[in-house]
Amino acid sequence: SQQGEEDPQALSIQEGENATMNCSYKTSINNLQWYRQNSGRGLVHLILIRSNEREKHSGRLRVTLDTSKKSSSLLITASRAADTASYFCATAGYSGAGSYQLTFGKGTKLSVIP
Amino acid sequence: DARVTQTPRHKVTEMGQEVTMRCQPILGHNTVFWYRQTMMQGLELLAYFRNRAPLDDSGMPKDRFSAEMPDATLATLKIQPSEPRDSAVYFCASGLYGGQADTQYFGPGTRLTVL
Repeated sequence: SQQGEEDPQALSIQEGENATMNCSYKTSINNLQWYRQNSGRGLVHLILIRSNEREKHSGRLRVTLDTSKKSSSLLITASRAADTASYFCATAGYSGAGSYQLTFGKGTKLSVIP
Repeated sequence: DARVTQTPRHKVTEMGQEVTMRCQPILGHNTVFWYRQTMMQGLELLAYFRNRAPLDDSGMPKDRFSAEMPDATLATLKIQPSEPRDSAVYFCASGLYGGQADTQYFGPGTRLTVL
């Protein structure tokens, strides 16, 4: 399976601190995406990094990708209480059945304490 | 502000009953996905359509689940008969793909409870 696995499962930090979440996967990918899910809501796309990219920034988000280690990290700088949510990595590539799809990990639950 | 809509938002039903969930994808998107989310399994892809044609439904229990796109503005997911183990949040997502999967836009989900 190419499913991403996030680490840690849960993270609690103070407002203003940085939050780092990691994702590992098993097979080759076309791109890797990070999504956020607030409690009781659907997932929201945050950022996409392609397999030939190593780093990408979007506002307070920084994503890195190391295809040799099959891992990615999401850094949220200067966290805010509103960043409290679950964060999922999703790998884009071919499934065992041969279809091209996103496969989601189980997420990191981030709590930012005011 | 275009968004994916899903109905109903909540559904409580008894085992054996038929359940139908509906999704309206973002206008112009050509790909629609159905996912199921549970605490134990996380987010699982059930099926997806491109230009209304089913591309992959290998994640869906075929004996009781069925997914259709009667037209470009409506996707449905049916469970008949429903079982308690089907209790989960079901998400629909849509995207515009020129050949490879990129950003997906999720609806708010249907929270299903089967008693």
